[in-house]
Amino acid sequence: EVQLVESGGGLVQPGGSLRLSCAASGFTVSSNYMTWVRQAPGKGLEWVSVIYSGGGTYYADSVKGRFTVSRDNSKNTLYLQMNSLRAEDTAVYHCARGVKGSGTVYMDVWGKGTTVTVSS
Amino acid sequence: SYVLTQPPSVSVAPGKTARITCGGNNIGSKSVHWYQQKPGQAPVLLIYYDSDRPSGIPERFSGSNSGNTATLTISRVEAGDEADYYCQVWDSTSDHQGVFGGGTKLTVL
Repeated sequence: EVQLVESGGGLVQPGGSLRLSCAASGFTVSSNYMTWVRQAPGKGLEWVSVIYSGGGTYYADSVKGRFTVSRDNSKNTLYLQMNSLRAEDTAVYHCARGVKGSGTVYMDVWGKGTTVTVSS
Repeated sequence: SYVLTQPPSVSVAPGKTARITCGGNNIGSKSVHWYQQKPGQAPVLLIYYDSDRPSGIPERFSGSNSGNTATLTISRVEAGDEADYYCQVWDSTSDHQGVFGGGTKLTVL
């Protein structure tokens, strides 16, 4: 069964750091585009980051320079290192498998998410 | 960056047809994907490449895309269709970013 399970969320103070993990099963992370999408409380979906199968990484302007996406092929796991966290980063963070098409990417498998709360 | 505009809410009676729009500059030149999200759950891919359905998605859900508007159409609406719906495109021209619409809350009367 194809599945994504996130972990690593929690309560962190402003300016702090947190690393999220996303364990995949049923498919190979390194062979796919993998994305992070977040949802602030009561708000809509916001795309955060992608790592391409070739290793290229891209970020939303709101997190560029603070967040880093990576993967561990041996563990078939995706990560999101979040530094210099702000209150506005409070959200449920979902990882999702991206499917590459001609000039587009869509997400066909989603994890249930892990909650990050940034507060003093 | 590219902006997608959705109506915050749409209401429809059971058995009727709901249409949820997604506006963007020349969106017809892009591939639009749609997701359904029920409270407390992860999003589910509903439509990809404007009008294709993943396996398991009922034929009642369909999509179209032309000009500056993409549309998700839900026929014969059921109570279980009440959810938030999001459109999404990929902006590969500027820094390879995913873009979501603000979401539309579908209420079944």
